[in-house]
Amino acid sequence: GAVVSQHPSRVICKSGTSVKIECRSLDFQATTMFWYRQFPKQSLMLMATSNEGSKATYEQGVEKDKFLINHASLTLSTLTVTSAHPEDSSFYICSARDRSGQAYTEAFFGQGTRLTVV
Amino acid sequence: AQSVTQLGSHVSVSEGALVLLRCNYSSSVPPYLFWYVQYPNQGLQLLLKYTTGATLVKGINGFEAEFKKSETSFHLTKPSAHMSDAAEYFCAVTFSSNTGKLIFGQGTTLQVKP
Repeated sequence: GAVVSQHPSRVICKSGTSVKIECRSLDFQATTMFWYRQFPKQSLMLMATSNEGSKATYEQGVEKDKFLINHASLTLSTLTVTSAHPEDSSFYICSARDRSGQAYTEAFFGQGTRLTVV
Repeated sequence: AQSVTQLGSHVSVSEGALVLLRCNYSSSVPPYLFWYVQYPNQGLQLLLKYTTGATLVKGINGFEAEFKKSETSFHLTKPSAHMSDAAEYFCAVTFSSNTGKLIFGQGTTLQVKP
């Protein structure tokens, strides 16, 4: 299957600083990437949908000024957590769909990033 | 509204026993259904998917699932559990009119006892 690489896998940052997480599709072009947040022992919550070359679409309740998403190319999307606070500590996962555009093609997931804000 | 419900947040089976993880969906349009597995601190790996065609779908690691439209279900089964199957399992759905974003169930933790 297609490979999605997410970096870093684990990051610890100080409260008030910003953290950038990268999501790359390694062997396919991804017109759409998704960013999820997962709390311990819980399901994945979709934060935003990122389309190459356009602004991300955020889910209700997600602060777009806090979680900045950039999808500058067909293989890279970034999530920046700005002015991070301890409550932003979570597991963040990206996924990417290939360029075929068919809704039923599965999304491939990155390995996830464990963010800890101290 | 479209939704996915996984019955049982925690399922425990003995090694070699049948695994059955339940998933029901709610939708007014034809769904595309997926099962993913997640190991601790890792992303999601696709086990199998149903899009169209045969309603009994076989996936990796001996898992299979059957799409039953009349029951709005997509239960995951495996005849014989292995210790390595212990993980978190997520049922998910997307729809043809959607952007392709997935709606996830709450997840089921599978415990396999020796």
